[in-house]
Amino acid sequence: DSGVTQTPKHLITATGQRVTLRCSPRSGDLSVYWYQQSLDQGLQFLIQYYNGEERAKGNILERFSAQQFPDLHSELNLSSLELGDSALYFCASSAQGLNTEAFFGQGTRLTVV
Amino acid sequence: AQKITQTQPGMFVQEKEAVTLDCTYDTSDQSYGLFWYKQPSSGEMIFLIYQGSYDEQNATEGRYSLNFQKARKSANLVISASQLGDSAMYFCAMRTTYNTDKLIFGTGTRLQVFP
Repeated sequence: DSGVTQTPKHLITATGQRVTLRCSPRSGDLSVYWYQQSLDQGLQFLIQYYNGEERAKGNILERFSAQQFPDLHSELNLSSLELGDSALYFCASSAQGLNTEAFFGQGTRLTVV
Repeated sequence: AQKITQTQPGMFVQEKEAVTLDCTYDTSDQSYGLFWYKQPSSGEMIFLIYQGSYDEQNATEGRYSLNFQKARKSANLVISASQLGDSAMYFCAMRTTYNTDKLIFGTGTRLQVFP
């Protein structure tokens, strides 16, 4: 158990809809990362928050947004969903620092139909 | 720009043999960290090993070791005495001082261990 909790584990929704993915980081970790992994693909970095503030942005679509709340949990909002958004979405958390590994949640598998 | 390259989409190895998974990286920073993760078919991401750019010795963790060649900008993962349970995707990742908030990953190598 990595200590990072993601909900829901699975999500099936229709095109055009909006969903919210939730992540609770490991106790004490201030950094939260979101990644998208499409079928048989690597992990695409989406966005990173540190203690409530956005710190780094990757290839995140304008239809996607995220935030980190005062209790450090984070939510990734995906709107106007398209078939191509079907993927495994990972949340990871880490302590601050160059040499700190990121601990990953189990992921949310999103299927857009 | 930071970049991680894993050129082997798939590798096969026989049980009990050693295997090397390649990773090259690109960064202009002098200080950076390199990570390897394993992703079994169940999907979770498991941290394996870390190497810092200023570490003088290659990192080792049990059957995992990292062959770090700084001048070549390579950080290959060596798995000794492969086991069937090692069959998985393996990802190399990097974080640099320029942007310690960004952990970027390569495209991964699928390792299959056969009896």
